[in-house]
Amino acid sequence: NAGVTQTPKFQVLKTGQSMTLQCAQDMNHNSMYWYRQDPGMGLRLIYYSASEGTTDKGEVPNGYNVSRLNKREFSLRLESAAPSQTSVYFCASSEARPGLGTEAFFGQGTRLTVV
Amino acid sequence: GEDVEQSLFLSVREGDSSVINCTYTDSSSTYLYWYKQEPGAGLQLLTYIFSNMDMKQDQRLTVLLNKKDKHLSLRIADTQTGDSAIYFCAERRSTDKLIFGTGTRLQVFP
Repeated sequence: NAGVTQTPKFQVLKTGQSMTLQCAQDMNHNSMYWYRQDPGMGLRLIYYSASEGTTDKGEVPNGYNVSRLNKREFSLRLESAAPSQTSVYFCASSEARPGLGTEAFFGQGTRLTVV
Repeated sequence: GEDVEQSLFLSVREGDSSVINCTYTDSSSTYLYWYKQEPGAGLQLLTYIFSNMDMKQDQRLTVLLNKKDKHLSLRIADTQTGDSAIYFCAERRSTDKLIFGTGTRLQVFP
């Protein structure tokens, strides 16, 4: 049971290059999220998906696109990378359990540097 | 996060209690969470509290919720060096968004 798997773990891009961050979960969760983590700013929500086939903008969606390919996979795409997108990116998934709260499970993160 | 605020840093001596505070914004949030992040790792859920509770205790952890003031705190009793990490509070809003705070770096010294 792998939980949430993100790839790649590290990436360096040149300004203007594009790339897709992959995320997959094997817990049959409906909700999936992409966050970026920057010093002093905590985790900021980029996009989330409440279920297969739906996506919604979070706090900082500009410069990103997402695809909820199926229930397992939620990818994040940078079409034209900018230095301001240098960050650590986390994917997460969660499922509401009545009366027990909702735990979000996180991937190990992707450290992205845009030069 | 969207105005979920925490102090950035807390330093305590080993064996003392730590109290990490958080203010959130959405009074309709159903659940509030505390997550722990160790260096180079993702986040792991420590504990949570449902919005109709005002206190929850789980071994060394005590969560207090003041819904009127939208204030959440996490108390760690008998703090150990292994508790050194970044602690995030988070709220689950009615839209199903999960919004995190800025994180508090807890440093425990001997």
